[in-house]
Amino acid sequence: ETGVTQTPRHLVMGMTNKKSLKCEQHLGHNAMYWYKQSAKKPLELMFVYNFKEQTENNSVPSRFSPECPNSSHLFLHLHTLQPEDSALYLCASSQEGATGELFFGEGSRLTVL
Amino acid sequence: KQEVTQIPAALSVPEGENLVLNCSFTDSAIYNLQWFRQDPGKGLTSLLLIQSSQREQTSGRLNASLDKSSGRSTLYIAASQPGDSATYLCAAPSGHNTNAGKSTFGDGTTLTVKP
Repeated sequence: ETGVTQTPRHLVMGMTNKKSLKCEQHLGHNAMYWYKQSAKKPLELMFVYNFKEQTENNSVPSRFSPECPNSSHLFLHLHTLQPEDSALYLCASSQEGATGELFFGEGSRLTVL
Repeated sequence: KQEVTQIPAALSVPEGENLVLNCSFTDSAIYNLQWFRQDPGKGLTSLLLIQSSQREQTSGRLNASLDKSSGRSTLYIAASQPGDSATYLCAAPSGHNTNAGKSTFGDGTTLTVKP
């Protein structure tokens, strides 16, 4: 596996369900990110992790809970979501202190019923 | 705060045409600028990364230029093909940014290349 891998690619959940999105990067990067992309809206940065530590939370509702157990893995735990949370969730990584190039995964398409 | 604008929002061209996509940014104290391609429902694919010390980068039929003083970058696509149809986004950091992922993204230009 190379690059940034996200699973699942598609997820349908009810408003009372609990699910998780997973992201794994195989690039040896030290920074990882979660974004939300809704239809006809710009990319929204949700969380920033540097060396496994969360360094930014852009006023994201607590029903989204990130977890970064090591510098290669990033999770987004979902609980009691709303229909307006339906979107494409993108994970990305970069190596800070180097060229600063950003690499994205294929995304997880979430539908909340 | 960095602001990034991409014009036009949509572009439709016949196959074989050369075209230019534009990206403007307000904070010229950037250390790089990155161009991405996004197909519907997919993630962003990195096309070109230009460091602040560079004026342009080339990859195959793609050429990206950077003019920091005027706050502009262009993506030139030569001999366009239907497979080039996608949304193209540029991303620029602010000078104080320490994370590439905190760059400001433009809204993108959706390109359609007609056979």
